[in-house]
Amino acid sequence: AQSVTQPDIHITVSEGASLELRCNYSYGATPYLFWYVQSPGQGLQLLLKYFSGDTLVQGIKGFEAEFKRSQSSFNLRKPSVHWSDAAEYFCAVDNSNTGKLIFGQGTTLQVKP
Amino acid sequence: DAGITQSPRHKVTETGTPVTLRCHQTENHRYMYWYRQDPGHGLRLIHYSYGVKDTDKGEVSDGYSVSRSKTEDFLLTLESATSSQTSVYFCAISLTSGGSTDTQYFGPGTRLTVL
Repeated sequence: AQSVTQPDIHITVSEGASLELRCNYSYGATPYLFWYVQSPGQGLQLLLKYFSGDTLVQGIKGFEAEFKRSQSSFNLRKPSVHWSDAAEYFCAVDNSNTGKLIFGQGTTLQVKP
Repeated sequence: DAGITQSPRHKVTETGTPVTLRCHQTENHRYMYWYRQDPGHGLRLIHYSYGVKDTDKGEVSDGYSVSRSKTEDFLLTLESATSSQTSVYFCAISLTSGGSTDTQYFGPGTRLTVL
């Protein structure tokens, strides 16, 4: 079955430190890949998406993600985390181009002062 | 802002009662989606709609039905609510084609508690 795995349920980083959130997917072909962020009590906001082409994708709020086909991964990175980045982050995929997204379990990011 | 509202925002109900959640959009977009969010599961697609009166099932559709009689409204109904349907429900819309190359925009969510 199709699946998306975010291995880290909870991550804590210090403000100003770098961040990497992991996402692995299980599909036969290259899927369409997304990262969303959810602030407490809010809906989801798209950070970035990958369909094809350059495997390093830039998003909003200083985030980027790299697609690695050999590792079936789409990890999210940010070079310097701000306190306002504390939120829950979701990786999602769609390999059927139907808009039917399958989400990972989410990673909660805590930022220490 | 994609102009999505959900109502109610919070609801507490009892097992066995019917519940209807409403998603309203102001931008006349064709594709609309209902997801539920549960700890440890992320978001899971319940149903989606690709036009007025055109709907299809998602991965967790059992116990739910939907209707779309107008472009702007997408209703999610729990015919007989169960405790396992306690969740946060999100509506989403696609601005253009509904395919994966399109961005889905999410509403603020409805927190439903079934006692």
